[in-house]
Amino acid sequence: SQKIEQNSEALNIQEGKTATLTCNYTNYSPAYLQWYRQDPGRGPVFLLLIRENEKEKRKERLKVTFDTTLKQSLFHITASQPADSATYLCALDMSSGGGADGLTFGKGTHLIIQP
Amino acid sequence: NAGVTQTPKFRVLKTGQSMTLLCAQDMNHEYMYWYRQDPGMGLRLIHYSVGEGTTAKGEVPDGYNVSRLKKQNFLLGLESAAPSQTSVYFCASRENRDSYNEQFFGPGTRLTVL
Repeated sequence: SQKIEQNSEALNIQEGKTATLTCNYTNYSPAYLQWYRQDPGRGPVFLLLIRENEKEKRKERLKVTFDTTLKQSLFHITASQPADSATYLCALDMSSGGGADGLTFGKGTHLIIQP
Repeated sequence: NAGVTQTPKFRVLKTGQSMTLLCAQDMNHEYMYWYRQDPGMGLRLIHYSVGEGTTAKGEVPDGYNVSRLKKQNFLLGLESAAPSQTSVYFCASRENRDSYNEQFFGPGTRLTVL
């Protein structure tokens, strides 16, 4: 099965700086990778998807990179704001590894943007 | 357009009791999922469905059963609840078989088994 590691359980960033979150996986190469945001007491909300043949994807202040050689994805939030404080989840498809047609998730990184 | 809804929001059970969690989506999605989320662990897939009348096992299916009698509803059953099933349960849906579709999650059901 796939093992996913997300950098440090908590990450403190000063407002206005760029936050960089890391997602590393260990086994099979997924067909795609997704990033979700989760606020306390709520379900995850989809942010971005990047496919195995894509190097980079952007959406407003968000940027995701995908390096299949390093087995790593980086998630960047530029010009960070206190409202960006949340837990960010990395998710990979299971089916590429012969598993179920669903997602396998990392434990998440709790991002705190300090004013 | 309510998206994905879950009932109940909270529930406390005693060991050995049974219950059913209901998930409903109004987006006409083909795929539906049940995940559980525990402290210090990522979301884990319990069961899923690729269409009305179908179900399949995920990573952690033991102790749970599911049914998808109607396209818009996906039920998760616990026949004999155990303390290890204390968790937050999330339902999600996906539009169709295109693997690149995002998943839409419900607000969760917090279940405590005493």
